[in-house]
Amino acid sequence: KQEVTQIPAALSVPEGENLVLNCSFTDSAIYNLQWFRQDPGKGLTSLLLIQSSQREQTSGRLNASLDKSSGRSTLYIAASQPGDSATYLCAVIVGQGGKLIFGQGTELSVKP
Amino acid sequence: GAVVSQHPSRVICKSGTSVKIECRSLDFQATTMFWYRQFPKQSLMLMATSNEGSKATYEQGVEKDKFLINHASLTLSTLTVTSAHPEDSSFYICSHSRDGQFFGPGTRLTVL
Repeated sequence: KQEVTQIPAALSVPEGENLVLNCSFTDSAIYNLQWFRQDPGKGLTSLLLIQSSQREQTSGRLNASLDKSSGRSTLYIAASQPGDSATYLCAVIVGQGGKLIFGQGTELSVKP
Repeated sequence: GAVVSQHPSRVICKSGTSVKIECRSLDFQATTMFWYRQFPKQSLMLMATSNEGSKATYEQGVEKDKFLINHASLTLSTLTVTSAHPEDSSFYICSHSRDGQFFGPGTRLTVL
């Protein structure tokens, strides 16, 4: 059974710091991996999608890496801003059908 | 990215009543849509996969007679929570898959 774990559960950093969020999964047979952002009481915003054949994806200040063999992904946020404060969710896509299995999320707070 | 809408965004109902939540794919014909549930401070859990023109596929532990799913067209899937109880109070989110998953804004259900 696929399980997804995110560490840390919560993180508080001062503005401007670079930070790394971690995601691990137990079964390396994934189709894709996707990182999302969720603001309180809101839906999910897709940040980055990494295909299983890829090692990383970049979008602006965000960089996500994927190591299937070790069952790990990281989300790197450069020069963090207060507007980055949100919960970040990692999810693995199991099969071509698109079914997602989520981690518990990392609640990020960036202090001005 | 793809656009998914949900209606209503928030609903409060009395225990024992039924509530219908609509999920629309606004710019993509989705043969498959997904329904997730999120309890406070927890991550998203897949409830069921909605298949256009056929029966939904439910995850283990999800009562198919309680959570009725209808996917009558390529742009609309509905989730009906029948005989709702306070423990059904949650955040319900739908999604579809198109080069990654795209989520609706969610529906906050509160059962009194």
